[in-house]
This record gives sequence, structure tokens and C-alpha cells, in this order.
Amino acid sequence: SYEVTQALSVSVARGQTARITCGGHNIGSKNVHWYQQKPGQAPVLVIYRDNKRPSGIPERFSGSNSGNMATLTISRAQAGDEADYYCQVWDSSTVVFGGGTKLTFL
Amino acid sequence: QVQLVESGGGVVQAGRSLRLSCAASGFTFRSFGMHWVRQAPGKGLEWVAVIWYDGNNKHYADSVKDRFTISRDNSKNTLDLQMNSLRADDTAVYYCARDGGDYGDYGVDYWGQGTLVTVSS
Repeated sequence: SYEVTQALSVSVARGQTARITCGGHNIGSKNVHWYQQKPGQAPVLVIYRDNKRPSGIPERFSGSNSGNMATLTISRAQAGDEADYYCQVWDSSTVVFGGGTKLTFL
Repeated sequence: QVQLVESGGGVVQAGRSLRLSCAASGFTFRSFGMHWVRQAPGKGLEWVAVIWYDGNNKHYADSVKDRFTISRDNSKNTLDLQMNSLRADDTAVYYCARDGGDYGDYGVDYWGQGTLVTVSS
């Protein structure tokens, strides 16, 4: 079965750029979606189809996907961005989530 | 606005059954695929199952295959998850969620608040 790998945690200074990666074999050939989850809340879709932002998601959130790595980029990181982030792909009619990356501030 | 409200969670003994339900509103239910996703305490998201439009096409995670059954009633705008032979590792918050469309190309765009299932041994 297909596996996607995320770092357990990423730290960023306020106002700087955070990059959260999602690795998988030839993941560039798949559509990657990204979710933000804050403690005690349901996940929220922040990026779909590699780099599309749903309505209401700030432009500070962007995505890219190529080769064996997809990346969620959060520019000008703010305190409210502190959360867990999950990547997601489809594989053989089933959904695969990455293990999640906790974004924290230095 | 889109609303997904789960119900049916609770404490159940290992080996027993439980049925979760999700009431959907604010959108044309029959036009969207629907998922169940779970999250064990302190752990990440785990996909459970998906059911597409008319209910004839369903897929399951290996961890629940042959134990869980997803179903939908498009006349009542409800989604269900029948869980049998429950195990301790099924303990989790279970989320009902809407597929964004095009068989997964738009991500999972709306989520309920979740219902907690605790399986006691």
C-alpha cells in the first residue's frame, strides 16, 4: 500500500516562512490535499489539488508537488497557524493520510 | 451552510457493535461522496471508509474491512457506519466528512465535529 511520510514537527519564527513536506514515491503524479487541525477541532482543508486554496483560506498558504515530495508553505507565519498539518492522497480508491506535522513557534 | 452532525458514539465493550449516524444539511447530499475518518486519542487522522453518490460504490481501510459497513440514505440525507466486532484499537473520535467532488480531486472539504467511540476491554 502507498505510504506518505511527514516530519513529526516543524518550528518557525513568527513572521517567517514554514515549509511542511509530504514524501511519497512519485507523489508528483498524484493530487495532494492538505489539512490544518487545531486542538479539539475538526480538520480544515487548506490546500487541494496540490496548490489550490479553498474559499476563505489566506493567500499565505500555498502548495507545490513534484517528484517524490509535496510541500505546504505558510508565509508570514502567525500564532494562529500553530496546528497539526496533514497531507492526503488517494491510492487505489482508498484515502491515505500522512502522519501529521506539528507546527510550533520558536 | 453545510452542516454535518454525528451521533451514536459512546462506550462499548470489545466484541460488541455500535452504529454511528451523520445528519447532513445545507447541500445536495446525493451529489457528494461521503467519508468516515477517525482519530485515536493523541494520534493522527486515519481514513475509515468512503461511499459514493448512490451508495453502490464503497471502499474501506484494511483495518476495518469485513467489520465495518458504510451506508447512506439519500432520501433522509444521512450517512451511517455500522461497526461490528469492535476492538480496543477502534477507540477514536469518528468524523463524518464530505468529499469535495470529482471522486476525491477536491479534497475533503467539510467535516463534522466528531463523535467519540470508546471500546473497553
